[in-house]
Amino acid sequence: KAGVTQTPRYLIKTRGQQVTLSCSPISGHRSVSWYQQTPGQGLQFLFEYFSETQRNKGNFPGRFSGRQFSNSRSEMNVSTLELGDSALYLCASSLGAAGSSKIYEQYFGPGTRLTVT
Amino acid sequence: KQEVTQIPAALSVPEGENLVLNCSFTDSAIYNLQWFRQDPGKGLTSLLLIQSSQREQTSGRLNASLDKSSGRSTLYIAASQPGDSATYLCAVSGYALNFGKGTSLLVTP
Repeated sequence: KAGVTQTPRYLIKTRGQQVTLSCSPISGHRSVSWYQQTPGQGLQFLFEYFSETQRNKGNFPGRFSGRQFSNSRSEMNVSTLELGDSALYLCASSLGAAGSSKIYEQYFGPGTRLTVT
Repeated sequence: KQEVTQIPAALSVPEGENLVLNCSFTDSAIYNLQWFRQDPGKGLTSLLLIQSSQREQTSGRLNASLDKSSGRSTLYIAASQPGDSATYLCAVSGYALNFGKGTSLLVTP
């Protein structure tokens, strides 16, 4: 069974540009969550999508947005890039929605390393 | 707001030692707790998931315990090997995973 895949793996952008990252969950998984990892802040939750609907959002500015398609694939977009957006962006998939009554293990992809210059 | 703390931040041990990594959290209203391993520049690999109703989980040389009332979890690694060198992260589950900053483990031959 294929794991979570993320594309691209590495990306270099300039301040002010925008970027789109993609995540394909494990087959059959309907929930995709996005996290930002930086050396200073660690792993921080961005948002979660389940069945094409954003269920939860972390404390990030509106420049960070996402969407989920009917095949559960998800994209994350960051507009007007800032130097501080340089980070490893990780997505995780699970069978069900986070915070539901059932326990769903989350499986992470390899991440996209974004460098903003 | 859930705060997750991991102690120690870094640990270096000789091969063969048994070791314990600690994780504490401030809000006991959690669904579950997961321990992950992260190799440099890579994604996260799930090691163990403990449901809030459970006290411990075991997988091979790894054993994780959970004491919800005191807001603590420990990851026990038996007979450590150089291949265990990585950063170990614990995460507690609310509507999202709240992560600690991790313990960076180095096992020397």
